[in-house]
Amino acid sequence: QKEVEQNSGPLSVPEGAIASLNCTYSDRGSQSFFWYRQYSGKSPELIMSIYSNGDKEDGRFTAQLNKASQYVSLLIRDSQPSDSATYLCAASTGSWGKLQFGAGTQVVVTP
Amino acid sequence: DGGITQSPKYLFRKEGQNVTLSCEQNLNHDAMYWYRQDPGQGLRLIYYSQIVNDFQKGDIAEGYSVSREKKESFPLTVTSAQKNPTAFYLCASSSGDRGQTEAFFGQGTRLTVV
Repeated sequence: QKEVEQNSGPLSVPEGAIASLNCTYSDRGSQSFFWYRQYSGKSPELIMSIYSNGDKEDGRFTAQLNKASQYVSLLIRDSQPSDSATYLCAASTGSWGKLQFGAGTQVVVTP
Repeated sequence: DGGITQSPKYLFRKEGQNVTLSCEQNLNHDAMYWYRQDPGQGLRLIYYSQIVNDFQKGDIAEGYSVSREKKESFPLTVTSAQKNPTAFYLCASSSGDRGQTEAFFGQGTRLTVV
């Protein structure tokens, strides 16, 4: 069974601090990686995609990929209460967007 | 507005009843997917389709059926054979272009057995 693993949390982060989320995957054929944010009762929203080793920054978000270690991470800088949500890590092995999801990490930003 | 529309938002099913969840997209995406989410869990793939009139089973296809008669539409039927259908159902689509595999989701349908 190809798996994507995340710590379930909750990850409690003070407002203004950096939230660090980690994800590992078992399928070495995985080529594309994504972070989705899901608010309670809502559908997932794509916030970051990363395809090659290294860092990718978009606003307050930075995704990091290390294919040799089969590891993906997401950093949220200057965390805000609106960042409180569950963050889903996903990996794709093909070109058709068929994704394998982790169970998600709940982030709680405290004022 | 381009996007993915799922309906209804809430659906109640009686024991032994089949129900159909609608998913329509106007993003001109080739690929469409159905996922199921249970409380506190990640998304599990039910069915996916890469092209009209073709679809494949995902990880948990038993008790479900789909059709893809039009590029824009990918309805999911939850049959009476699905013994535990209460869940949050999410439809997604992606362009399928090489290197562009981001999947975008509809707002979801919450199905409850009564």
